[in-house]
Order: sequence, then structure tokens, then C-alpha cells
Amino acid sequence: AQSVTQLDSHVSVSEGTPVLLRCNYSSSYSPSLFWYVQHPNKGLQLLLKYTSAATLVKGINGFEAEFKKSETSFHLTKPSAHMSDAAEYFCVVSRGMNTGFQKLVFGTGTRLLVSP
Amino acid sequence: GAVVSQHPSWVICKSGTSVKIECRSLDFQATTMFWYRQFPKQSLMLMATSNEGSKATYEQGVEKDKFLINHASLTLSTLTVTSAHPEDSSFYICSAEDRAKNTGELFFGEGSRLTVL
Repeated sequence: AQSVTQLDSHVSVSEGTPVLLRCNYSSSYSPSLFWYVQHPNKGLQLLLKYTSAATLVKGINGFEAEFKKSETSFHLTKPSAHMSDAAEYFCVVSRGMNTGFQKLVFGTGTRLLVSP
Repeated sequence: GAVVSQHPSWVICKSGTSVKIECRSLDFQATTMFWYRQFPKQSLMLMATSNEGSKATYEQGVEKDKFLINHASLTLSTLTVTSAHPEDSSFYICSAEDRAKNTGELFFGEGSRLTVL
């Protein structure tokens, strides 16, 4: 069965410094992996996705993530944090082969706090 | 585009009553919608898959008679929590797939927080 572990419940950074949100996955076969962001009182928004193409995936708002099979990791990074990046971030793996986006298994989330 | 709206965003009800939560795709048609439940500091858990014009498919361990799902049109799915109890208090989130784009990408609603007294 697929699962994801988000290693940090909270991450605090200063504006302009790099962001690293960690995610490790467990999967019986090649997974599809996603990062979603949730701002207060808003729906979840897809940041980026990995579906067995390039291992370095670029997403919206300057975020990117690298799929590392040897480390079973899919960490989310951004070179320079912005105040508007403060939100809850979810690492997600698809459940079941060929299910694309639909059967999703969510991590517990990481709250990113950005200070001036 | 691709906006999914849930209503109500929060609701408080007495134990034993039923509560209906709506999930609407505002600018696209959704053949398939999904309902999730999120407990505090925990993951979103898929409860059921709602297909327009047919019965919902429930995940293992989810009581279909307790959580009634109806997907009567291509833009609306409803989740009714019947005979609610305090343990049903949770954050319920829906998502929908844009039928026209057919990419499989899901768009999420803002969530509905249910508190049962």
C-alpha cells in the first residue's frame, strides 16, 4: 500500500530564505506524487506533480521537487520564500496503478510560516 | 476557472439531526467528485467516490447509510451526515474532476467544518 510521511508538522523561515518541506513515500511500484497547497479558507491547489517523467519537477510560484527513488523522497523546495507562501502543504501519492490523480493518499501536512 | 465551492463552510448541529453539505463545480462539469474527511492534525481520508447518475462508491470502513452521497447533476454532489453524533465532527472536503479537460486533475473545495454537539 502507498503512504507518505511528512517529516515536519511546522516549518518556519524568514522571507527571502530557502524553503525545504520534506516528504518520504512508500509504494509497491512506481508512484505518482504530488504537492498541494492550502491557504486559509481556500481549497487545495496543485503545486506540482511527478508521473515518472523528469525527476526534477517544476511547479507554480517558483516551487520545485525532486523525485529520488533511492531515498524514497519527494522534497519540496523554493529558493526564496515570500510572505504569500505561508500555508499548509500536503504531499500526496496516488493509490493503485493507473489511477492517475484520483485515488489519492495524503500526508499529514506541513504548515509553512514565513516571517518578515 | 476550475472552481469548486462547498456550502456551508461551517455548521453546528445537535446530536441525532442530519446535515447536508453541498459541493458544486462552478465553471465546469464534473462527472466524478470525491469526498474526504480530515481530523485535526491528520491526513485527508477518502470517504467515497461520487459518480453523476449512479451510486457512490464507498471506501472500506465508511458507513454508506450514515454518509449519504447524491450526485444528481454534473455540477452538484451532496453529502448528508445522517443522525449525526459528536464523533462525526470533522472537516469534510470535496474535489471534482473537469470532464472536458479529461486530465484527471482534481480541484478541491474550501471544506466544510461540522461540529456535532
